[in-house]
Order: sequence, then structure tokens, then C-alpha cells
Amino acid sequence: ETGVTQTPRHLVMGMTNKKSLKCEQHLGHNAMYWYKQSAKKPLELMFVYNFKEQTENNSVPSRFSPECPNSSHLFLHLHTLQPEDSALYLCASSQDIDRNYEQYFGPGTRLTVT
Amino acid sequence: QKEVEQDPGPLSVPEGAIVSLNCTYSNSAFQYFMWYRQYSRKGPELLMYTYSSGNKEDGRFTAQVDKSSKYISLFIRDSQPSDSATYLCAMSRTGTASKLTFGTGTRLQVTL
Repeated sequence: ETGVTQTPRHLVMGMTNKKSLKCEQHLGHNAMYWYKQSAKKPLELMFVYNFKEQTENNSVPSRFSPECPNSSHLFLHLHTLQPEDSALYLCASSQDIDRNYEQYFGPGTRLTVT
Repeated sequence: QKEVEQDPGPLSVPEGAIVSLNCTYSNSAFQYFMWYRQYSRKGPELLMYTYSSGNKEDGRFTAQVDKSSKYISLFIRDSQPSDSATYLCAMSRTGTASKLTFGTGTRLQVTL
């Protein structure tokens, strides 16, 4: 595997379900990011981790819970989501947060909340 | 006023044309300027980044930054159907607390 991978690629979940999104980067980077991409809106930064430490929570509702066990892996735990949370969730990485201008993205998880 | 403005398109051009994609911004503190290409159902792919003003060239792609006008451009020469995608501009300040601010993207269609 190369670059940034994300699983699953597609996810349909009910409002009462609990699910997790997984991201793995094979670039030796130390910073990882979660973004939300909705139609006709700019990418919204959700969370930032640098050397496994969370450095930013961009006012994200608590039904989204990130986890970064090491510099290569990032999870987004989902719980009691709303239909408006349906979007493409993108993971990205960079060498560290000082080099956030050079981010590499995964293919995303297309999430549908029913 | 949005921090970054980008015409959503779609922009349709014939194969071989020179394409000009643009973004304007309002925050004069931005120092890094990025262009990403995103194919349908894929994640964004970094094409190039530029620091401060000036030009940067990579193959058929040229990025220009005019900080005095708060205007950035991406030129694609000899456009190909494989260039059909959405192009996102992004920018950031320097410093560890900075984050990327994205435009909404311009959809480009290169026709045969």
C-alpha cells in the first residue's frame, strides 16, 4: 500500500448506529487530518493530530470522536449521527503541522446517514 | 465575504486549449498557495504549492500568485480530457497554528 488509504470507501448507517472510519498513511508523516467535504461547500477541517497529539478540534459535534493511536493511523468514531452528516470524509497527512501546506489526501469515505 | 472565492464552473474547453483557473482571497496573511485536483469519487491530489508571490511551473501546469491583488491562478497548457476534474485552491498562513482554507472548487471539462 502506498500513500494514504481509507476504509471503508462507502458506509450507510442509521442514526442510532455506531461505526468507525479508518485512515492509514504510508508516507512516514507525523501530522494527520480529518476533513468533511459536502457538495458545493469548501473542505471543512475537523481534527488535526501532530505526533499523535490532538492540536485542533474545529468545533466539531461530540458525535464525532477521533482517535490517533500512532502517527500512521487515524480513526473517526461515529455515534448517533444526523442526516446532515452525510458527506465525503477525507483523511490527509503531512510531514508535520509546520508543513501543512503539503498535505496528501486519501480517497475518502462516502458516508450516508439514513 | 468568504475568505477564498472560486468560480464553481463548470468550465468547458476543447482539447489542446490553455485553461486558466483562478481564486481570489481576502486574508493578506496567507503565504502558502496550493492547487489540488480532485477526480470524481476520489480524494484531492496536490498539484503544486507556492510560497508568497511569483510563478511556479511543473510540466503543463503553471501556478501564479499576485499578492498585491490577492489573486492566484493555475494555467494548464495543452489541456487533455484526462485533465477533466474539479480543481481546488487552498491557502494558509505560516506558523503551526495555521490551517488550510479551501475554495469550493472549479469543475473543468476538457472535450475531444
